[in-house]
Amino acid sequence: GAVVSQHPSRVICKSGTSVKIECRSLDFQATTMFWYRQFPKQSLMLMATSNEGSKATYEQGVEKDKFLINHASLTLSTLTVTSAHPEDSSFYICSARDGGVGTSGNTIYFGEGSWLTVV
Amino acid sequence: QKEVEQNSGPLSVPEGAIASLNCTYSDRVSQSFFWYRQYSGKSPELIMSIYSNGDKEDGRFTAQLNKASQYVSLLIRDSQPSDSATYLCAVKGGGATNKLIFGTGTLLAVQP
Repeated sequence: GAVVSQHPSRVICKSGTSVKIECRSLDFQATTMFWYRQFPKQSLMLMATSNEGSKATYEQGVEKDKFLINHASLTLSTLTVTSAHPEDSSFYICSARDGGVGTSGNTIYFGEGSWLTVV
Repeated sequence: QKEVEQNSGPLSVPEGAIASLNCTYSDRVSQSFFWYRQYSGKSPELIMSIYSNGDKEDGRFTAQLNKASQYVSLLIRDSQPSDSATYLCAVKGGGATNKLIFGTGTLLAVQP
């Protein structure tokens, strides 16, 4: 099946610094990618929808200047957490929609997730 | 009312039994429904997708959809301890939206 790769899987950064997380679709073109955050024992919270070549659409309550999303190609989207604080520590997960020729365009595949710890 | 609702559990079933997981959704125009399995500390893994009313079977898994009742369920036959995980129901909104709305998940514990 389709594969979405996320990197890094774990990252520790100091408070006030920025950290970038990459999400790649390895065997399909993803015109749309999604970024989620998940706190322990809670469900996935959609942060933003990323469309290739255009600005991301952020969900209500998510600061676009803090969580910078870039979707420069059909296979890569990045999330940069700027000026990170301990409360940003969470599990960040990307997903990508396989909307290629011959697909229903409905299937969304998840990356492996990235654990961010801000100390 | 939450858009996608699930009982958080835990749902405990003995090994070999049928586990029944339920989900209701509020948006009547939703067209696509998914069940994901998430092990602790891992990313969700797609198990089943269902788009039409009725049952859809894949191995030990059966998804059931009733759009009139806005209800979707997942049955796991011959439950195994390795099935113990959180099961997330996800609904894709109607229209042009591509967003998946997730329920809070049901924790399933299969007892050996």
